[in-house]
Amino acid sequence: SQQGEEDPQALSIQEGENATMNCSYKTSINNLQWYRQNSGRGLVHLILIRSNEREKHSGRLRVTLDTSKKSSSLLITASRAADTASYFCATDIELIFGTGTRLQVFP
Amino acid sequence: GAGVSQSPSNKVTEKGKDVELRCDPISGHTALYWYRQSLGQGLEFLIYFQGNSAPDKSGLPSDRFSAERTGGSVSTLTIQRTQQEDSAVYLCASSLADGGRGTQYFGPGTRLLVL
Repeated sequence: SQQGEEDPQALSIQEGENATMNCSYKTSINNLQWYRQNSGRGLVHLILIRSNEREKHSGRLRVTLDTSKKSSSLLITASRAADTASYFCATDIELIFGTGTRLQVFP
Repeated sequence: GAGVSQSPSNKVTEKGKDVELRCDPISGHTALYWYRQSLGQGLEFLIYFQGNSAPDKSGLPSDRFSAERTGGSVSTLTIQRTQQEDSAVYLCASSLADGGRGTQYFGPGTRLLVL
């Protein structure tokens, strides 16, 4: 079974807007990671949040984690066309990635 | 069912020796990825194969690292003249399609320790 389930499956926004995507998982975890994948390339690690953390920031990225709901969200602020990619979450328990959220940012 | 398999599961080697890590993807999967995960870190992308296209080697950390995929199936990651900083878990993944359209399934990894 997949640990990381992202939604929405696709998201289209204008440059400058914020983008929020969500991830749900099934079992208890030690950490959760978000990754980005540009078309035709491998996954790039963005940010890792530990189970005892509720929120973490990295540049324009903000990640939250709610272990009671087994969910996480990734917020990209002031989006840019270069943010166009697929975004995935994964947990440390089982490295199986879902189909991700495909983000399209229009200039 | 047959998932992604990797061998060996563990490898201890001495600094300066060469090592070969093997990955058998899920049958029929055209995309194959190699990643490295150091202790407590996220995945680091190394190399990506898609069908018969030239591989994306942009993640390889140095020219001591190379990989090949024979017959579009089995892949071998070779590390020459290993260094202690090469110690990590090396993970292979495969998917039916490239980009974000295919779920990536990971093997159990090879834990490499360079003494």
